[in-house]
Amino acid sequence: QKEVEQDPGPLSVPEGAIVSLNCTYSNSAFQYFMWYRQYSRKGPELLMYTYSSGNKEDGRFTAQVDKSSKYISLFIRDSQPSDSATYLCAMTVGSNYQLIWGAGTKLIIKP
Amino acid sequence: DAGVTQSPTHLIKTRGQQVTLRCSPKSGHDTVSWYQQALGQGPQFIFQYYEEEERQRGNFPDRFSGHQFPNYSSELNVNALLLGDSALYLCASSRGGRQPQHFGDGTRLSIL
Repeated sequence: QKEVEQDPGPLSVPEGAIVSLNCTYSNSAFQYFMWYRQYSRKGPELLMYTYSSGNKEDGRFTAQVDKSSKYISLFIRDSQPSDSATYLCAMTVGSNYQLIWGAGTKLIIKP
Repeated sequence: DAGVTQSPTHLIKTRGQQVTLRCSPKSGHDTVSWYQQALGQGPQFIFQYYEEEERQRGNFPDRFSGHQFPNYSSELNVNALLLGDSALYLCASSRGGRQPQHFGDGTRLSIL
């Protein structure tokens, strides 16, 4: 079993919809959680960075962490075709430790 | 403000050869990490360099080695290339080795 599980998709939704992306993990020691967006032939781009449990909002993006359920989510409001990309979750036990990654979910926003 | 830059963008090698990939960190960053990303997978951590020393290493063989220079730039060297080494190699930089990390666009390595 992988430490971090992420549905590979693809997930296809119409423009303007609310998108929910999720990851589950098995290591209860994880404390730092990140979401990256990766366009084709590009490197991962940091979207959200959270520590411990709770919610964090940045524009159209909201990240949620539920440590009791070992479950993290990324919500995208008013989705746009330009949001079409692969979304990767990553997490670590300490700020200066290596990142453990999900496999990524491919998101397609239909105009 | 320049982000993380990597060179070359694409490289084709044959089995058994050696390759060197290069990375310049984001301005103000002193730590460089290297990752291997196979198609359709998340990145896999290779190693991290801080103060010109390898500080952490993932589950990669000794064929993978690296170096960090006084200006914080870094190189990744892979010897005796195998077909399975074909992947996107990503460099990430951070400040003091702490999160979050910022990534370059990678070097796509193809082994024939």
